[in-house]
Amino acid sequence: GESVGLHLPTLSVQEGDNSIINCAYSNSASDYFIWYKQESGKGPQFIIDIRSNMDKRQGQRVTVLLNKTVKHLSLQIAATQPGDSAVYFCAQGAGGFKTIFGAGTRLFVKA
Amino acid sequence: DAGVIQSPRHEVTEMGQEVTLRCKPISGHNSLFWYRQTMMRGLELLIYFNNNVPIDDSGMPEDRFSAKMPNASFSTLKIQPSEPRDSAVYFCASSSRGQGANEQFFGPGTRLTVL
Repeated sequence: GESVGLHLPTLSVQEGDNSIINCAYSNSASDYFIWYKQESGKGPQFIIDIRSNMDKRQGQRVTVLLNKTVKHLSLQIAATQPGDSAVYFCAQGAGGFKTIFGAGTRLFVKA
Repeated sequence: DAGVIQSPRHEVTEMGQEVTLRCKPISGHNSLFWYRQTMMRGLELLIYFNNNVPIDDSGMPEDRFSAKMPNASFSTLKIQPSEPRDSAVYFCASSSRGQGANEQFFGPGTRLTVL
């Protein structure tokens, strides 16, 4: 069945370092991928998206990379800050309006 | 805009009771989604509406769950009768784009505890 999974459930990084969060997906027909951030006690919040006809997209301090050959998605956060501590979800379009979310990776930023 | 509004924020009830969760989407958004989040199963899509019409309810776990969207500014998710395994955080989200994966705006969630 369709699934979006993550290689690492937790990631701990030093403040100021770069973070890389990885995601594997199974539905090769998806034309749209998204990263969400969820802070404790809040709902997920959109970070950045990428269409399947792209392999890289940059935002403010974040970059998403898409490798369709190996069905892999990654989120890079530059100069990680304490406020980046959260759970990060990758998600993919699953047809129509449907979105499938991955299991999530918890990012800890050490001061 | 106030964002997606959900009520109540917390609900504690006893097994067998009816539970109604409420959601007000962002004004102008035409799609509304109900999700359930647990440690074991993660974030699961239960049902979504487009222009107030239910499009896909394949994620609704059982007949005990029902959802309605009587107008563009209000939706409910009802559990009757509730069971302890329904304990979870329930999120409502809305979006305004067309087909395909959309940027969804999530509400703060309702934490449901069924004793």
